[in-house]
Amino acid sequence: GAGVSQSPSNKVTEKGKDVELRCDPISGHTALYWYRQRLGQGLEFLIYFQGNSAPDKSGLPSDRFSAERTGESVSTLTIQRTQQEDSAVYLCASSPPGLAGGKGGEQFFGPGTRLTVL
Amino acid sequence: AQSVTQLDSQVPVFEEAPVELRCNYSSSVSVYLFWYVQYPNQGLQLLLKYLSGSTLVKGINGFEAEFNKSQTSFHLRKPSVHISDTAEYFCAVTGGLFTGFQKLVFGTGTRLLVSP
Repeated sequence: GAGVSQSPSNKVTEKGKDVELRCDPISGHTALYWYRQRLGQGLEFLIYFQGNSAPDKSGLPSDRFSAERTGESVSTLTIQRTQQEDSAVYLCASSPPGLAGGKGGEQFFGPGTRLTVL
Repeated sequence: AQSVTQLDSQVPVFEEAPVELRCNYSSSVSVYLFWYVQYPNQGLQLLLKYLSGSTLVKGINGFEAEFNKSQTSFHLRKPSVHISDTAEYFCAVTGGLFTGFQKLVFGTGTRLLVSP
């Protein structure tokens, strides 16, 4: 079946503009994660959804960042009033239902959205 | 809280040589450990994972890793690398058994550069 998809693949925006990044998880995967990968750095956790609720938003760097998920499917990450430090690759991942112990905790990653803020 | 350290930012190696990519973690709870690979312009792909049981874990593409609890390490090895193994490798940890879904905590990555 299809993997995790993300759109757009690339986004160039001007400082101060709002952007929306989209993630389509694998069908049937109830958990969805957003990560950020800055140049030369590892991945930073942003937020995780279980179904349509977000039990862990601890990684969102500021109130300019928000995310939502509808229908236990598509998720949108919104960055308002973008800043140059927001430039990064934003990765989405999903995982199937069941406890991490049962399903092994593997997350399936999309190809990412490369955001460049000028 | 968990953390992951990948001390080597870049590892150059010749084709057909062995390689070891180092990963150390810290955690106050039991952990699951993962190695992901990121090929140029692609998303992350799972190489292998340690959940429990045998400390030697075999993954795809001939890679293996050994979980060493006393040294809190999970080093990745391959006895003979190919040019196609050139990629970024990330070690990651998530915590606890029976704790449901967990965020992955990643290391900063190691770039493996295989030359002829």
